[in-house]
Amino acid sequence: AQKVTQAQTEISVVEKEDVTLDCVYETRDTTYYLFWYKQPPSGELVFLIRRNSFDEQNEISGRYSWNFQKSTSSFNFTITASQVVDSAVYFCALSEVDYKLSFGAGTTVTVRA
Amino acid sequence: DVKVTQSSRYLVKRTGEKVFLECVQDMDHENMFWYRQDPGLGLRLIYFSYDVKMKEKGDIPEGYSVSREKKERFSLILESASTNQTSMYLCASHGQGGMNTEAFFGQGTRLTVV
Repeated sequence: AQKVTQAQTEISVVEKEDVTLDCVYETRDTTYYLFWYKQPPSGELVFLIRRNSFDEQNEISGRYSWNFQKSTSSFNFTITASQVVDSAVYFCALSEVDYKLSFGAGTTVTVRA
Repeated sequence: DVKVTQSSRYLVKRTGEKVFLECVQDMDHENMFWYRQDPGLGLRLIYFSYDVKMKEKGDIPEGYSVSREKKERFSLILESASTNQTSMYLCASHGQGGMNTEAFFGQGTRLTVV
């Protein structure tokens, strides 16, 4: 069964628009961690943000913000005022107590000038 | 600067060959992972290891095996390569804190089996 679901395959926006990426996860663990990674055209995955299962406080870091809702098992990620350099594939990931790190299928974001 | 290094960026192998993909990390991480990445499927976990000589199957272990004889090195083995194993292979290692630290990734190996 898919542990991390990213329903959006592709999103295309015009520069300066906001982009929200959806992520739904599934786990039986009470302690777990959620991540967002970015894969630019160069190919190497880059860590963006992390949230643990006990902290549902939503945060903003620069142009990035995230909305973690345990009740709906969702961990959504927003890029505010998108830029062309934000064009990439974005992956949501779940880390569980057995150290298994599972990824979603990814959402391709294209930001047009 | 932390590093996860995969031995090859591109590989072309013939069907039936035994293929070794090597991954080395210099961060003294306990946990290491092998994924394959295919369009529309994201990263799928093949195997992972949380200690030397320890290994756990991921979601798609069939056709693959792994070896972790030293902490810094995690090898992925295709016993008899097939065309459906043509893919991008990514190695990652997990930080000292285990599940609560971000993973670092290698640059990937694009394997083509002909």
